[in-house]
Amino acid sequence: GENVEQHPSTLSVQEGDSAVIKCTYSDSASNYFPWYKQELGKGPQLIIDIRSNVGEKKDQRIAVTLNKTAKHFSLHITETQPEDSAVYFCAASSLVRTYKYIFGTGTRLKVLA
Amino acid sequence: GAGVSQSPSNKVTEKGKDVELRCDPISGHTALYWYRQSLGQGLEFLIYFQGNSAPDKSGLPSDRFSAERTGGSVSTLTIQRTQQEDSAVYLCASSSGQGGKETQYFGPGTRLLVL
Repeated sequence: GENVEQHPSTLSVQEGDSAVIKCTYSDSASNYFPWYKQELGKGPQLIIDIRSNVGEKKDQRIAVTLNKTAKHFSLHITETQPEDSAVYFCAASSLVRTYKYIFGTGTRLKVLA
Repeated sequence: GAGVSQSPSNKVTEKGKDVELRCDPISGHTALYWYRQSLGQGLEFLIYFQGNSAPDKSGLPSDRFSAERTGGSVSTLTIQRTQQEDSAVYLCASSSGQGGKETQYFGPGTRLLVL
């Protein structure tokens, strides 16, 4: 079945360093890949997304890269700040059932001051 | 404008009781989703509503779970005869237009604890 694997499950970085979270998806028909940030006690918030016709997208300190051949996509956060500490989820949608997102299991990012 | 709202924010119930969880989507959003998030896990798709179309219920884990969406707006997720394994955060999301082409916006969730 459809599956998204996410690594690492936890990640600690020093403030100012970069953080990278990686996801692998199984459905080759997936064409939309959002990333969500979830802070304690809140619902997930979209932080960046990418579609399959693009290899990279950047928004200030956040970037996402997509390798469709390898079915990998990654989130890159540069110059990390304490407020970046949260759980990050990747997701992939299917071309056939575009509304159905398959989520990764999440990465708990801790930015150490 | 206002985001997705959910109520209650927390619910504690006894095993065997029924519970109803409510979701108010963003005004004008035609698509509405329910997800379940168990402790330390990702989001599990439960059900999808799009306008007046028949909902996709393929993610509902058992026949104890049901959901309605009245008037194309508010939705209620009902869990009958709750079990301890139903304890989780139940998240609602909405999007404008067809899901997948439009961003899903999540509510804060309802934290359900079944004792």
